[in-house]
Amino acid sequence: GAGVSQSPSNKVTEKGKDVELRCDPISGHTALYWYRQSLGQGLEFLIYFQGNSAPDKSGLPSDRFSAERTGGSVSTLTIQRTQQEDSAVYLCASSSRVAGAGGANVLTFGAGSRLTVL
Amino acid sequence: GNSVTQMEGPVTLSEEAFLTINCTYTATGYPSLFWYVQYPGEGLQLLLKATKADDKGSNKGFEATYRKETTSFHLEKGSVQVSDSAVYFCALKIGAGSYQLTFGKGTKLSVIP
Repeated sequence: GAGVSQSPSNKVTEKGKDVELRCDPISGHTALYWYRQSLGQGLEFLIYFQGNSAPDKSGLPSDRFSAERTGGSVSTLTIQRTQQEDSAVYLCASSSRVAGAGGANVLTFGAGSRLTVL
Repeated sequence: GNSVTQMEGPVTLSEEAFLTINCTYTATGYPSLFWYVQYPGEGLQLLLKATKADDKGSNKGFEATYRKETTSFHLEKGSVQVSDSAVYFCALKIGAGSYQLTFGKGTKLSVIP
């Protein structure tokens, strides 16, 4: 598609339930990123996929968080046994390269999935 | 570690006013610097960038100059419009081989007619 598409745009769930958030990156973009935007905080890096390489999971806050990227395209972020502190906007971004000359790769972000855990 | 500090918002300005949003950074190497903008209901978009000291990024009337001596990348616009109302994020990235962006907390700008 023309941009990065995320679904659902809004999700309200009860504490303890599992949720799945989906990201459909720009066609042809090999790099995909998940960030979390909590109220009053900056964007927090969660996970990064690049082609067929092993993902960088260093930003995942706990083992309740996982993500996969199937076929090098669509990605799903899964949060198990959700907690109230998981409430945030989850942003997905993609880019066409890791970094080119000058190191200024440009990320295109989706509109985000707002998760509210009651 | 690497960090970005932005001025606290929200910022409310009248149309045609001058805008400055301060951004300073701490980095272990020589970063590339970015301003991203998030309009209501939309994803973040790259507004401008600078990759080395004294570079000036500019776009849509916005400017920011990479100041190594003050570790700053302040965003400025001479005359804001209502359509500039958005959240602005300063960010940095270290090195050509890196892919992680470190973001500030964002500054919400509201421009009133």
